[in-house]
Amino acid sequence: AQTVTQSQPEMSVQEAETVTLSCTYDTSESNYYLFWYKQPPSRQMILVIRQEAYKQQNATENRFSVNFQKAAKSFSLKISDSQLGDTAMYFCAFMKHTGANSKLTFGKGITLSVRP
Amino acid sequence: DVKVTQSSRYLVKRTGEKVFLECVQDMDHENMFWYRQDPGLGLRLIYFSYDVKMKEKGDIPEGYSVSREKKERFSLILESASTNQTSMYLCASSTLLDSAGELFFGEGSRLTVL
Repeated sequence: AQTVTQSQPEMSVQEAETVTLSCTYDTSESNYYLFWYKQPPSRQMILVIRQEAYKQQNATENRFSVNFQKAAKSFSLKISDSQLGDTAMYFCAFMKHTGANSKLTFGKGITLSVRP
Repeated sequence: DVKVTQSSRYLVKRTGEKVFLECVQDMDHENMFWYRQDPGLGLRLIYFSYDVKMKEKGDIPEGYSVSREKKERFSLILESASTNQTSMYLCASSTLLDSAGELFFGEGSRLTVL
């Protein structure tokens, strides 16, 4: 079974600064996907970024980038130029690469607060 | 845009009541999921469905059942609600066309069982 660990329950960052959210996972699979989802207060959860394990290049989406270390089973999210709208809960998630019917396993989440 | 609509944002029920949580998606997605979200526990999968009338147990199915009679609708049923089922329930959907599995979520249904 896969496990996803987010050990930091809360973090805070000053607006315009950079913050990194940590995630580790455990799996015996060699091919899989990793995700970061964002859940703003009282709003729907949305996908921030995803990484395919067989791709060595780290994924980037505008101000969001990941540091994917496959050997260490680490998948951290870096948010650059933090904005007030980045205040949310962030969940790391794992999915085996066994076809479209695979289900996601989520971590416990981290609450990020961006200070003005 | 994909829209996943959950019928009730807030519900208060009494112990022993039968509870229905409804979820409808408008993008013809094949896959639908019910998660439960609790502080410090993250999201845990209750049930999922890959097709009409098909269902599979997730990690915590005890005390729950589901129904998928139409492709767009996935219902979560608590046959006899208990206080330990007080939680936030999230419905999600995804399409077979996206093998990387992006989930589209509803806004959630916060259930309180007294």
